[in-house]
Amino acid sequence: DTAVSQTPKYLVTQMGNDKSIKCEQNLGHDTMYWYKQDSKKFLKIMFSYNNKELIINETVPNRFSPKSPDKAHLNLHINSLELGDSAVYFCASSQESLRGGYTFGSGTRLTVV
Amino acid sequence: GIQVEQSPPDLILQEGANSTLRCNFSDSVNNLQWFHQNPWGQLINLFYIPSGTKQNGRLSATTVATERYSLLYISSSQTTDSGVYFCAVWSPNAGKSTFGDGTTLTVKP
Repeated sequence: DTAVSQTPKYLVTQMGNDKSIKCEQNLGHDTMYWYKQDSKKFLKIMFSYNNKELIINETVPNRFSPKSPDKAHLNLHINSLELGDSAVYFCASSQESLRGGYTFGSGTRLTVV
Repeated sequence: GIQVEQSPPDLILQEGANSTLRCNFSDSVNNLQWFHQNPWGQLINLFYIPSGTKQNGRLSATTVATERYSLLYISSSQTTDSGVYFCAVWSPNAGKSTFGDGTTLTVKP
């Protein structure tokens, strides 16, 4: 029944490792997003995909690579993890016709040690 | 890009009190949402309100798009209302939602 699901919920890893976070939505939305929430709670968009096509790519290090195999999935792969990557990563989806109208996943808390 | 300012940044209330949270934005928007991030980190959609007024129980929201602001009213606050409240605006030029920095609400018993 979960509308937007992310896995894993928690991820602890060492510097230099490569990790992936998965996101799936069953709402039939055509747009998916990745947001990063830092320790000060600020929410910043990273990427947006519409029907599997990248439409927004904010100023994000190229160690971060999103992949959308279909419009229901948007995964985030991170190479060579750094301490500063520690944050909560939220996936969201929306229907373009609603101009926003986000539904968020429950977040993935990434801790790099 | 569009600027979104929320006020106040922090708010402490006694249980049962009322409060008003404000969201100002610097450009025309097609949509505005209010979210509540609870102490467990979940982001819950409260209102999808591009204009006008909506009510849901003790919460209500008003957006005046022509004057570029929205208000979230919380009446008879409860401890479970604690958390961070975000507004997010959808700008047609940006093609994405931009979030304000949030208002952290603490309701004391």
